[in-house]
Amino acid sequence: DVKVTQSSRYLVKRTGEKVFLECVQDMDHENMFWYRQDPGLGLRLIYFSYDVKMKEKGDIPEGYSVSREKKERFSLILESASTNQTSMYLCATSTGLPGNTIYFGEGSWLTVV
Amino acid sequence: QKEVEQNSGPLSVPEGAIASLNCTYSDRGSQSFFWYRQYSGKSPELIMFIYSNGDKEDGRFTAQLNKASQYVSLLIRDSQPSDSATYLCAVENSGYALNFGKGTSLLVTP
Repeated sequence: DVKVTQSSRYLVKRTGEKVFLECVQDMDHENMFWYRQDPGLGLRLIYFSYDVKMKEKGDIPEGYSVSREKKERFSLILESASTNQTSMYLCATSTGLPGNTIYFGEGSWLTVV
Repeated sequence: QKEVEQNSGPLSVPEGAIASLNCTYSDRGSQSFFWYRQYSGKSPELIMFIYSNGDKEDGRFTAQLNKASQYVSLLIRDSQPSDSATYLCAVENSGYALNFGKGTSLLVTP
């Protein structure tokens, strides 16, 4: 089974803090993604990476950055957290092969106060 | 902007009935289509995917794809209360990420 682990499940941070969300996968998948999910807005892609040290902006990259130093680990960074970044954050992976099924981690619930 | 559209629902069906969930997409070049199920407070889990026009069956689930009309649907036969969830349609986007619809909420009543 594919395992995508998000180490921080529930976080409460203050406005202006720097926040790190970590994601680790154990399936040697090439692609990794960060989405956020909000009521009424659905799943929106923040950033993705198709290789170590490679990253591409998704639909809503503003206020976020990412880091992929190792193939199995993809980090999402909120440089200066704001209340409008309160959301559920979902990490995902895929093989990049035809079909490209995406597998999700359990999610990280972030509240910025 | 490539769009994936779903009726938000809620769609309410009685136990044992067939639930029909629909999705349309704007990018005519899309090749791969996915259905995910998401329970409240949980992450999405893959139900099935489809690439070719026509029907694809997996247990109680059938995905239908019509590329000419740009729609994909999911049928759930013999619906159970445990099928109550939000169903997300997703379309492959540029070979990497999936573009998701906002989901249809399904409620199966005993």
